[in-house]
Amino acid sequence: AQKVTQAQTEISVVEKEDVTLDCVYETRDTTYYLFWYKQPPSGELVFLIRRNSFDEQNEISGRYSWNFQKSTSSFNFTITASQVVDSAVYFCALSEGRRNAGNMLTFGGGTRLMVKP
Amino acid sequence: KAGVTQTPRYLIKTRGQQVTLSCSPISGHRSVSWYQQTPGQGLQFLFEYFSETQRNKGNFPGRFSGRQFSNSRSEMNVSTLELGDSALYLCASSAGLAGEETQYFGPGTRLLVL
Repeated sequence: AQKVTQAQTEISVVEKEDVTLDCVYETRDTTYYLFWYKQPPSGELVFLIRRNSFDEQNEISGRYSWNFQKSTSSFNFTITASQVVDSAVYFCALSEGRRNAGNMLTFGGGTRLMVKP
Repeated sequence: KAGVTQTPRYLIKTRGQQVTLSCSPISGHRSVSWYQQTPGQGLQFLFEYFSETQRNKGNFPGRFSGRQFSNSRSEMNVSTLELGDSALYLCASSAGLAGEETQYFGPGTRLLVL
């Protein structure tokens, strides 16, 4: 069975601070995909990044960066120089990679990030 | 491209009633998945439809059902509503080939059962 754990339920930072959101996953699949989504107060889940299990290269997109380490089954997300607009709930998710497995995301419990001005 | 749309956005029902929620996927997407989000259980997968067939199903009672039409639009139905069905119901679409595809979510339908 797949499982995603986001141990940090809430994080509060002051604007311009860097913050890292942790994600640890469990799966028996050798091929799998990891995702991060952002959920602002409006409720819609906004896609941020997808990473497959064969690509451990870290990725940077503006102020966002992701660190994927298979050895520790972690896929952490760092926001550099946080801004008030980054305040939201962030979800890490996992899906199987077998063809014909269909689409089913297993989500972590989410981390609520509050960025204070 | 227009995003995933869901109707209605808000709904209030009473226990015992039934409800139907609608989801229109991104144009060209053939897979539609439904998720339930509650404060206690978080985000949970309900089911997925692909080419009008249910391809995956989560661990929910039979009161929860769905269907997909030939234009890929999907509906989910909850019969005999219970207080615990109060939740945000999110629909997501993807091209549908396999798990590596990104699912794009709609704004959700907030259901309140009184």
